[in-house]
Amino acid sequence: EDQVTQSPEALRLQEGESSSLNCSYTVSGLRGLFWYRQDPGKGPEFLFTLYSAGEEKEKERLKATLTKKESFLHITAPKPEDSATYLCAVPAGNNRKLIWGLGTSLAVNP
Amino acid sequence: DTEVTQTPKHLVMGMTNKKSLKCEQHMGHRAMYWYKQKAKKPPELMFVYSYEKLSINESVPSRFSPECPNSSLLNLHLHALQPEDSALYLCASSQDFLASVWNEQFFGPGTRLTVL
Repeated sequence: EDQVTQSPEALRLQEGESSSLNCSYTVSGLRGLFWYRQDPGKGPEFLFTLYSAGEEKEKERLKATLTKKESFLHITAPKPEDSATYLCAVPAGNNRKLIWGLGTSLAVNP
Repeated sequence: DTEVTQTPKHLVMGMTNKKSLKCEQHMGHRAMYWYKQKAKKPPELMFVYSYEKLSINESVPSRFSPECPNSSLLNLHLHALQPEDSALYLCASSQDFLASVWNEQFFGPGTRLTVL
């Protein structure tokens, strides 16, 4: 069964304290992995698309990496404005839907 | 410009009302989506339009009626909703839906719907 699992569920960091969020997936024939950021009461904001193992993408303090089983979202020297829920999603193996993880709620304290 | 707009931002309606949610994108995308999101849950797919034709209906109750008047606009007509339909309704668009390569979806800010 296609599945996406994100860990941890919640993460609290001090400003400047780097860390990583994990998204592990089981899906037949990966056709992409998407990272989003979502602020409370707002729509998800697209961050990255990764298509193949070994691929890496960066944007400001965020770096996303992909292996054959999981993706990491590395946050370097986070700031309070990085506080949000981070969601990952992968296309299902046998239909045209995205399978979403439950997200990691990140809080960065000043 | 990667903007998807949605109106209204907030909507409160009674169970006998009829209302509509509107979504617009000007990115030339040919796929548009409606999602429903409850608190602390990921978005849940409701409908997909591809090239202005309904491609997916995720067994959504008929009190939700989607409409795609043209490639830039997407509506969701609401009638006789239940309190459990209260949620954040999200519109999204992507370059294509049927391509072999999956394209990222861009989301609007959402409409917060409350059904009394």
